[in-house]
Amino acid sequence: GQQVMQIPQYQHVQEGEDFTTYCNSSTTLSNIQWYKQRPGGHPVFLIQLVKSGEVKKQKRLTFQFGEAKKNSSLHITATQTTDVGTYFCAGLASGTYKYIFGTGTRLKVLA
Amino acid sequence: DTAVSQTPKYLVTQMGNDKSIKCEQNLGHDTMYWYKQDSKKFLKIMFSYNNKELIINETVPNRFSPKSPDKAHLNLHINSLELGDSAVYFCASSQTRVRGIEAFFGQGTRLTVV
Repeated sequence: GQQVMQIPQYQHVQEGEDFTTYCNSSTTLSNIQWYKQRPGGHPVFLIQLVKSGEVKKQKRLTFQFGEAKKNSSLHITATQTTDVGTYFCAGLASGTYKYIFGTGTRLKVLA
Repeated sequence: DTAVSQTPKYLVTQMGNDKSIKCEQNLGHDTMYWYKQDSKKFLKIMFSYNNKELIINETVPNRFSPKSPDKAHLNLHINSLELGDSAVYFCASSQTRVRGIEAFFGQGTRLTVV
């Protein structure tokens, strides 16, 4: 079945450092979504990417969808303590209605 | 008002018991979901309903039975609870089942089976 892996599983950074999480799917995706889950919280939608090679920015966050539509990345510039949480990608395989969540990357930011 | 609300927030119960988790959304969405998040934070979809019709039914033990009395509600009933059922269960909804629609998650129900 379809699998969506994320690396790294954990990342600790000093406040002000950059952070990147990578998402890789075993199958080609129609689109990909990113969610953030704060500790003790619930996943909250961040963004969706649809087109091959698409890049979108939200303030310090940059999202990219790979040319082959099988991978994606989320880059945070100059992390802040408010960025702490687990970041999930969720991929929609072509021809399905089901989003498969990635394994998640837990980010800790040290002040 | 909370968009997607689940009750209870915490549930501690003994093995073998039967329990239910309720979910309600006031967003007017057509599609609702149940997800299970285990201790390693992996999020797995269990079920999805679209306008009260079951559209996604993952490989889940048949001790788990979802029920959607109307499109604003999706409940999850679990029979004969086992230790391995301990997890956080999230309800979510989206406007339709059409691709490219974001999901709104509830606060989660932390189920602990002892």
